[in-house]
Amino acid sequence: DGGITQSPKYLFRKEGQNVTLSCEQNLNHDAMYWYRQDPGQGLRLIYYSQIVNDFQKGDIAEGYSVSREKKESFPLTVTSAQKNPTAFYLCASSILQGRSYNEQFFGPGTRLTVL
Amino acid sequence: EDQVTQSPEALRLQEGESSSLNCSYTVSGLRGLFWYRQDPGKGPEFLFTLYSAGEEKEKERLKATLTKKESFLHITAPKPEDSATYLCAVSGGYQKVTFGIGTKLQVIP
Repeated sequence: DGGITQSPKYLFRKEGQNVTLSCEQNLNHDAMYWYRQDPGQGLRLIYYSQIVNDFQKGDIAEGYSVSREKKESFPLTVTSAQKNPTAFYLCASSILQGRSYNEQFFGPGTRLTVL
Repeated sequence: EDQVTQSPEALRLQEGESSSLNCSYTVSGLRGLFWYRQDPGKGPEFLFTLYSAGEEKEKERLKATLTKKESFLHITAPKPEDSATYLCAVSGGYQKVTFGIGTKLQVIP
């Protein structure tokens, strides 16, 4: 059964802690993405990666870090530098055709709450 | 900068009452327009991709259409299980995807 998995589903963080959100896909997609979703706002891109060992900042990368050591995995670390990390985090993946972005497929999401 | 505006923000329909959701966009060189369905607390579920004006796609009670400035998601004879937030997104010449805020649809039995 192909798809994208994210873990954990819920995560609670104390102020000053770094936390890492997991994202794995078995769709053999080249590109992977991290978005943040807040009430009343569209999905905002944090980081994306088109190929292993390479990634680019999105619109709101400050306070976040990522790695892409394997094609299937794209973990996101929310650092203590992120001032307002409470949000719903979504991971997505897509194939790449030339330089075009195709439809993205999303994981179930991780809800992060800062205590 | 690419922009996506969805209207209305919320829509309440009686079961069987057909309607349309609107997605207006400005983009530098449209490469694709995407529709997603999102249930509360879940990730968006892909519905359709439209690539050029005049294109239409259908899935069950949903039909998506595209013009040069907007897309419509038509819902025919909706059922309560169609209740969800519907997201529109565009991929433009800057090679990024821009999402709208969504339309929250409630279908009442």
